[in-house]
This record gives sequence, structure tokens and C-alpha cells, in this order.
Amino acid sequence: QTVVTQEPSLTVSPGGTVTLTCASSTGAVTSGYYPNWFQQKPGQAPRALIYSTSNKHSWTPARFSGSLLGGKAALTLSGVQPEDEAEYYCLLYYGGALVFGGGTKLTVL
Amino acid sequence: QVQLQESGPGLVKPSQTLSLTCTVSGGSISSGSYYWSWIRQPAGKGLEWIGRIYTSGSTNYNPSLKSRVTISVDTSKNQFSLKLSSVTAADTAVYYCARAMDVWGKGTTVTVSS
Repeated sequence: QTVVTQEPSLTVSPGGTVTLTCASSTGAVTSGYYPNWFQQKPGQAPRALIYSTSNKHSWTPARFSGSLLGGKAALTLSGVQPEDEAEYYCLLYYGGALVFGGGTKLTVL
Repeated sequence: QVQLQESGPGLVKPSQTLSLTCTVSGGSISSGSYYWSWIRQPAGKGLEWIGRIYTSGSTNYNPSLKSRVTISVDTSKNQFSLKLSSVTAADTAVYYCARAMDVWGKGTTVTVSS
């Protein structure tokens, strides 16, 4: 069974920069896994942020960026705002199957 | 813009079949080359992809649920549906529908209990 691993939790100061990562149990994550990133706040549905590694949706704030880093997919938040405190999920495509990571709880403190 | 709304019973008895419908508004379910997905989230836990369907009828399912899941589409009603058979308490979750993972419904809570 394929497992996608994210940091369980991270803390960042307002105005700071933080990078969340997404690893695959099958090996290095490449663009062929079409990494997606989602933000979820309590009581809300997830909101898509990034698709196909680094592409932003029209509603994605500029401070969010996606990349590949050291064999993992990465989501970087630059100039973190208090409203960025949320759970973040990555999603990888394995051919016909999609697998979510376990999520990273980002605290802005 | 496209909006999605899940609907269906909020309570299902163990061993029965969970049935949900996702109604698409603001656009045709047949337009574009999108796929349409179901995702669930147990309370306090992470997201789990259930499966997806293209308007051609082609489907992919989560291998761990494949034996119990059926996703179908009704283009005339601009809807797609989820059926999950032989449910147990472990299937209690918020169920979301989504268009190609970019536009999501608000979710509907389904509880499996007698």
C-alpha cells in the first residue's frame, strides 16, 4: 500500500517562511506524480492551492508556491500571515489512484 | 462559477449501502475534460480519496475500497453519485465531492449506526 508522508506539525512566526514537504513510499516524487496541495481550516472543506507541482489556481495567494525539493514535493509559504494557520494536505497521482498525505498542521505563532 | 453540493441520508445502518449524490451547478458536468471525485474525512482525521469518474463513464477507485464502491454519472441531471456497500462504523465521515480536485463541495456528514 502506497503511503504519502507529510510533517505532522510545523510552527512559523508571522512574516516568516516555512516549507512543507510530501514524500512517497515508492521513491522520489517527480512531476509525473502531479503533486497537489490543499489548505483546510476547521469546519471547512479543503481548498485547492497548487496543482501539477507548482501551478497556482486563480485564487491562490502569491505567497504560496510549490516545487520539488530533494525527492519530495514541497509547499513554501513566504511572508506567512495569521490566516495561514490551517491543516495542509498534499495529493499524489499514482496512475489511476490518488493518495493524500496525512496532513501538516501549521501553527502561526 | 461551478459549485458542487452533496446530498443524501445522514444516517445509514451497518451492513447497508451508503448513497450520495453530487449536484453540479454553474456549468455542465459534460464540459471540459474534467473528472469528478469523491473524498471522505473521518472526524479529526485526514482526507481519503474514494474514487473518480469521467463523463465517458470511465472510473478509478481506491484499491482499499474498490470492492464496495460504485461511482456513476447522470449527465442529464448534471449529477454524479457514490454508492458504498456493506458499511460499518469505520465509514462514518464527512463525504466531499470535487471537480478534478480543484472545486469542492461543502461536504455532508454520514454516520453509520443502528
